Amino acid sequence: NAGVMQNPRHLVRRRGQEARLRCSPMKGHSHVYWYRQLPEEGLKFMVYLQKENIIDESGMPKERFSAEFPKEGPSILRIQQVVRGDSAAYFCASSPEVRASDTEAFFGQGTRLTVV
Amino acid sequence: GNSVTQMEGPVTLSEEAFLTINCTYTATGYPSLFWYVQYPGEGLQLLLKATKADDKGSNKGFEATYRKETTSFHLEKGSVQVSDSAVYFCALTPSGTYKYIFGTGTRLKVLA
Repeated sequence: NAGVMQNPRHLVRRRGQEARLRCSPMKGHSHVYWYRQLPEEGLKFMVYLQKENIIDESGMPKERFSAEFPKEGPSILRIQQVVRGDSAAYFCASSPEVRASDTEAFFGQGTRLTVV
Repeated sequence: GNSVTQMEGPVTLSEEAFLTINCTYTATGYPSLFWYVQYPGEGLQLLLKATKADDKGSNKGFEATYRKETTSFHLEKGSVQVSDSAVYFCALTPSGTYKYIFGTGTRLKVLA
């Protein structure tokens, strides 16, 4: 049973370009969470999605960032017009149901975005 | 608000040394507490967890006890191995929510 798959592992973008990060949850999981780790900081919640629905985007920056989880295919985190401050590691996690506070979500390896 | 503070790294130890990585938290109510580990080139893996006061989580020789009186969840291992070299993250989830609150991570390097 493959784990949470994220790609690419490393992504380099020039300022002003778009970045697309993909996350395929574990088989049987329909709940996806995105976290961002800025340099020298802990992972911070960005967004929680179910298939075709954004449930909680309270951690998403108001501009340039969007996320989707279509009926078919991976979840996508899209960053438009990237800036140097977007350089970070982006982690995706999944769970079979909405995660209860005492249960775990399963994390992918992360995508390391570098904006030059 | 909710937060997690863990000791800064890197921590460098010789093989078979005793390990402690400190973690303290601030939270309302009764959060669940977690330690995650990230080995080089891999994703975060759950190492252990504790969901109520005085619970002890343990796995692979690692232990941590949920201490509500000191709001701490320190990670310990009696004898580390080179293969334990990784980044360790302390995290909490407030009761009734699904979001993790992570510490900044502590890098452990074990020398042969």
